[in-house]
Order: sequence, then structure tokens, then C-alpha cells
Amino acid sequence: GDSVTQMEGPVTLSEEAFLTINCTYTATGYPSLFWYVQYPGEGLQLLLKATKADDKGSNKGFEATYRKETTSFHLEKGSVQVSDSAVYFCALSDRGYSTLTFGKGTMLLVSP
Amino acid sequence: NAGVTQTPKFRILKIGQSMTLQCTQDMNHNYMYWYRQDPGMGLKLIYYSVGAGITDKGEVPNGYNVSRSTTEDFPLRLELAAPSQTSVYFCASIPPGRNEQFFGPGTRLTVL
Repeated sequence: GDSVTQMEGPVTLSEEAFLTINCTYTATGYPSLFWYVQYPGEGLQLLLKATKADDKGSNKGFEATYRKETTSFHLEKGSVQVSDSAVYFCALSDRGYSTLTFGKGTMLLVSP
Repeated sequence: NAGVTQTPKFRILKIGQSMTLQCTQDMNHNYMYWYRQDPGMGLKLIYYSVGAGITDKGEVPNGYNVSRSTTEDFPLRLELAAPSQTSVYFCASIPPGRNEQFFGPGTRLTVL
């Protein structure tokens, strides 16, 4: 079945450092891929998405490229801020009715 | 959260009690979902609905029931609460013409 694997956290960075959070997936079809972010005590918010191979999703300085050949969708940001501290979830939608399969989440902690 | 509301925000149940978690959206979204989030485990799909009168099981439906008598409401019912159902529950929906889910703020449930 479908699955999503993310790097384990927490990822701890200093402000203005470069961020990469790895995400790889297994799917039988051609899934859409998503990154969601969860700030402490809140629900999930869509950060970015990509619906086909080689698409690049971007939002708020974050980027991720849909790599079909490596089945990956790594999240990157050139310069993180303290306000980026949150849990980041990679997810895919492959089955019917847009149901999502999530990774376990990666906590990011950014210090001043 | 694109107008998805959930009540209550917090609840403590005793083993064997029952309760209904409410989820409402007033934007005419057809697709709605219930997930549970356990620490370090990502989100797991419990049930979903593609329209009024239509529901289907997700990955972890045991111990739960749903109904969808109207487009706006998608309640989740726990009949005999068990400690294993201690979790944070999120409802989500998809606006027409989109393929990404928008999440409510969540309900934190503790079963003692």
C-alpha cells in the first residue's frame, strides 16, 4: 500500500540556516504530494503541493520538487526563522476521493 | 482552516462512555474526513465521506461510527470509549475544484 517516510526529528537549527527535511514515498499510481505544517496547539495548514512529476511547490520561502525517479519530495528553505518552528508533515494522495497518507512528521526547532 | 469548525476542543471521558465529536463546514464541501493524530505517528484516516448519505471506512475505523445526513455536518461517534482512543481528532474537507484538504482546529480527547 501507499506509505510516506520522513526523516526523524527533531531538527534543530539556528536562525538563517538552510533547511532540508527529507520525504520519500511509495505509491501504486501517480500521487499528488503535499507538505502540511502544524504549529503548537493548532491544526494542520497546507504549506505547498505538487500534482505531477517535476512540479515545484513553493510558499513562504519553502520549496519542494516532485521527483518521480527518486520518489521524493524534500522540503527546503534557504533561511529559517524562529517562527518556522513547527511540525512538518509530508503526505500523498493516490487513492480515490483524495484521501491522504501521512508521514510521521518532523519537528523543526529554530533558535535565535 | 477554510471554515471547518470542530467541537469540543477538549474532552475527558471515562472508559465505556460515549460521545460525539462535531465537525461542520458551511461552504458546501462534498468531501469530508476524520483523522486521529497520535504522538510521533502522523495522522491516520478513520472515516471519510464524499457527500450527504455516503460514508466509507479509512485505515483505522474500529470503535468509531459516522453519519452524513447533511452536506454541512460530519459527526464522529465513539460508542464505548477505550484508553486506546485517547488522541487528537481532526476533521478536514476539500473545497470544490481543489484537491487539498483543509483542517479544523482539532479535538483533544482523553479516555481514563
